[in-house]
Amino acid sequence: KNQVEQSPQSLIILEGKNCTLQCNYTVSPFSNLRWYKQDTGRGPVSLTIMTFSENTKSNGRYTATLDADTKQSSLHITASQLSDSASYICVVSRNNAGNMLTFGGGTRLMVKP
Amino acid sequence: GAGVSQTPSNKVTEKGKYVELRCDPISGHTALYWYRQSLGQGPEFLIYFQGTGAADDSGLPNDRFFAVRPEGSVSTLKIQRTERGDSAVYLCASSSYVSDTQYFGPGTRLTVL
Repeated sequence: KNQVEQSPQSLIILEGKNCTLQCNYTVSPFSNLRWYKQDTGRGPVSLTIMTFSENTKSNGRYTATLDADTKQSSLHITASQLSDSASYICVVSRNNAGNMLTFGGGTRLMVKP
Repeated sequence: GAGVSQTPSNKVTEKGKYVELRCDPISGHTALYWYRQSLGQGPEFLIYFQGTGAADDSGLPNDRFFAVRPEGSVSTLKIQRTERGDSAVYLCASSSYVSDTQYFGPGTRLTVL
């Protein structure tokens, strides 16, 4: 079964601290993996996308890693800001199904001052 | 428009009623997707359109759910005989082609009393 599991489910950190969110997937075949940020009451917004051959991708203070052998990805947030408070969703695309996406349940991050 | 828009933003209805949810994709985007998101979970795929035709409707939970995109732009998700379990946020996304990044709308929060 194609699944995407994320951990932790929720996380609280202090402003300025770093954190790392985890994503494990069993989706096959694999096309790409994306991390989305979803603010409360908004639709998800793409942060990074990585294909099979890419190990890391950065977008400002966000750095995503991918290990296609172990089917694991992480999203590292550096020097967190209050505006980073949101849900972060890991999404894996299968390459034989158009652009069908399998979504993880998300990690809800709260950054406190 | 600048992004994907969805109307209404909130819809409250009674069990057994019929509802229609509208999605206006980004102009020129040929692919359109509907997802359903329950509280604290990641989005769940419902259906996607390539142009006017439903390319994959395997995510629709049952025959009470139906979606159309008659002119290849605006799409309407229709739910008949609503049930309390249909309560969720319904997200729409569009992409310029089927394997491109999906841009999400803000969603419609449906509450069935």
